[in-house]
Amino acid sequence: QLQLVESGGGLVKPGGTLRLSCAASGFTFDDYYMTWIRQAPGKGLEWLCQITSSGKTQYYAESVKGRFTISRDNAKSLLYLQMNSLGVEETAIYYCARLQKYQLLLYMDVWGKGTTVTVSS
Amino acid sequence: DIQMTQSPSTLSASVGDRVTITCRASQSISKSLNWYQHKPAKAPKVLIYAASNLQSGVPSRFSGSGSGTDFTLTISSLQPDDSATYYCQQGYVTPVTFGGGTKVEI
Repeated sequence: QLQLVESGGGLVKPGGTLRLSCAASGFTFDDYYMTWIRQAPGKGLEWLCQITSSGKTQYYAESVKGRFTISRDNAKSLLYLQMNSLGVEETAIYYCARLQKYQLLLYMDVWGKGTTVTVSS
Repeated sequence: DIQMTQSPSTLSASVGDRVTITCRASQSISKSLNWYQHKPAKAPKVLIYAASNLQSGVPSRFSGSGSGTDFTLTISSLQPDDSATYYCQQGYVTPVTFGGGTKVEI
């Protein structure tokens, strides 16, 4: 069945780095754009970035631009999020999601269960 | 960035009630509006895409309407399993933005 499984979360010190992975299965990975979303404790959903199916183009939220990098390995059906210069306010559950196209609209139709990132000294 | 404002932020209702959640965009987004359901410790789930299209497998008691700046999500007969937080999301332009969420308590 369709599945996304995130990994790589954990405890990191402020200013530190972390790389998250998202393993896709049950669909043709390189047919789809992919995205990362996070939810801080007690807060709502925040879109972080997305990447085209080929991996050639990426889009970022201003809050992470220049510090986070989204990438993918289509041969391995893996999505990545490299996070640098992490701040305590970036403690959150990080989700990867598949982007489905409907006419000119993209929406997130498959989500992983998330991986927890804690930024603390 | 396009701001998405949801109301109410919390809603308390009974099983069988008709429930409506409102989402307003800070500028016109045509019909580029999606709705998600999120339960604690679970993956979010898309309910409605493009304002009014029911995602496959989602119960028909969920419906969406609206265009431009004003949108609604309606649950026609609230069920115990519908206890969750609901988010609207605009996909009209990047950056994608979400509403603040509506927590539905039963």
